[in-house]
Amino acid sequence: QSVLTQPPSVSEAPRQRVTISCSGSSSNIGNNAVNWYQQLPGKAPKLLIYYDDLLPSGVSDRFSGSKSGTSASLAISGLQSEDEADYYCAAWDDSLNGQVFGGGTKLTVL
Amino acid sequence: QVQLQESGPGLVKPSQTLSLTCTVSGGSISSGSYFWSWIRQPAGKGLEWIGRFYTSESTNYNPSLKSRVTISVDTSKNQFSLKLSSVTAADTAVYYCARARYSGSYYFDYWGQGTLVTVSS
Repeated sequence: QSVLTQPPSVSEAPRQRVTISCSGSSSNIGNNAVNWYQQLPGKAPKLLIYYDDLLPSGVSDRFSGSKSGTSASLAISGLQSEDEADYYCAAWDDSLNGQVFGGGTKLTVL
Repeated sequence: QVQLQESGPGLVKPSQTLSLTCTVSGGSISSGSYFWSWIRQPAGKGLEWIGRFYTSESTNYNPSLKSRVTISVDTSKNQFSLKLSSVTAADTAVYYCARARYSGSYYFDYWGQGTLVTVSS
């Protein structure tokens, strides 16, 4: 049972837009920034979004992040087959005094 | 370019101590304000934060693992390590080392490739 809640899976057709939600509480998302990681099959996670909506250098601007209250979202536009991966949200939790992750969302590009 | 590489036994017996090392290259482990961290992932499951080392006086561990975990840094070797005691089959996972930083947000910017540790007799 993850502290942050994500849908287990989402799917969408190529060239379309998809969003992945991440729900938390006042001790994590409500009071701290959210980061998103992409994990391609068999690979280590890679930083995709940090500080709610900032893109690291080299990450495509097809990816965007947003946050409102105790929830956050990752949006991917112009879907491509190479976007098929697991996506994780993460945030610091003040009550646990530790990093917490969502359970991950598997994206399938139809 | 910073690179991290995990190393250590791939098989550990139940009740023993799991020991892993992460070697950092492309930068000094003692420079900058970074958190040297461990994360694990059981097969087919999500990511679990294990803990982080910032200074010898500042470490944080996952409360669920705190009684069994120690993370330390060896600046002379540019390495940091993980020790997890009294392991069970539930500790079988891919273990990742990662560098974290704080810039308005605490995030992992560099990751190792991961190493599979199996707990079995």
